[in-house]
Amino acid sequence: QAVVTQEPSLTVSPGGTVTLTCGSSTGAVTSGHYPYWFQQKPGQVPRTLIYESSSKYSWTPARFSGSLLGGKAALTLSGAQPEDEADYYCLLSYSGARVFGGGTKLTVL
Amino acid sequence: QLQLQESGPGLVKPSETLSLTCTVSGGSISSSGYFWGWIRQPPGKGLEWIGSIFYTGTTYYNPSLKTRLTISVDTSKNQFSLRLTSVTAADTAVYHCARPHGNYWGQGTLVTVSS
Repeated sequence: QAVVTQEPSLTVSPGGTVTLTCGSSTGAVTSGHYPYWFQQKPGQVPRTLIYESSSKYSWTPARFSGSLLGGKAALTLSGAQPEDEADYYCLLSYSGARVFGGGTKLTVL
Repeated sequence: QLQLQESGPGLVKPSETLSLTCTVSGGSISSSGYFWGWIRQPPGKGLEWIGSIFYTGTTYYNPSLKTRLTISVDTSKNQFSLRLTSVTAADTAVYHCARPHGNYWGQGTLVTVSS
């Protein structure tokens, strides 16, 4: 089974910019992996932020953006807010089978 | 607005079978071309994709669970189900049903494997 890798933890200053990445053990992440990004706060159900690499929902704050960057999927947060402190997970598709990354614990400090 | 609700036992004995059902309300499970999934999260750990199903019955399973796992759909009841056999303590987790596209998640149900 493919392994999906994320940074275990990152720290960003309030108002700052940070990029979380999502890599695949099978090679470059492409649009064919249909990357999703999820945000999970303690005690809460995950929330889907981004689908298909870069598409947003109406509830996705404008400061979040998704992309493919350097062979990885990326989630960029521009103008971090205290409420963005959470765990972030990416999800990749491998011909229909899905694999989560290990998650990134984002601290806003 | 779609709503998903998991149901099933919260306690399962080791070596027995874990069975959960997800009931979808507010819309038809057959009306979308998106996958419906089961996801679990052991206490204090990350998310794990268990498997997914389309309304047609096509399934995709986590290879590490494949030999123990069955996911099925009952479109007449607007439900999809999970069956995991030969459970161990390692299967203790909060189990979510979800349609990630559109952000439709059940609240999750804690299943503990213990004698």
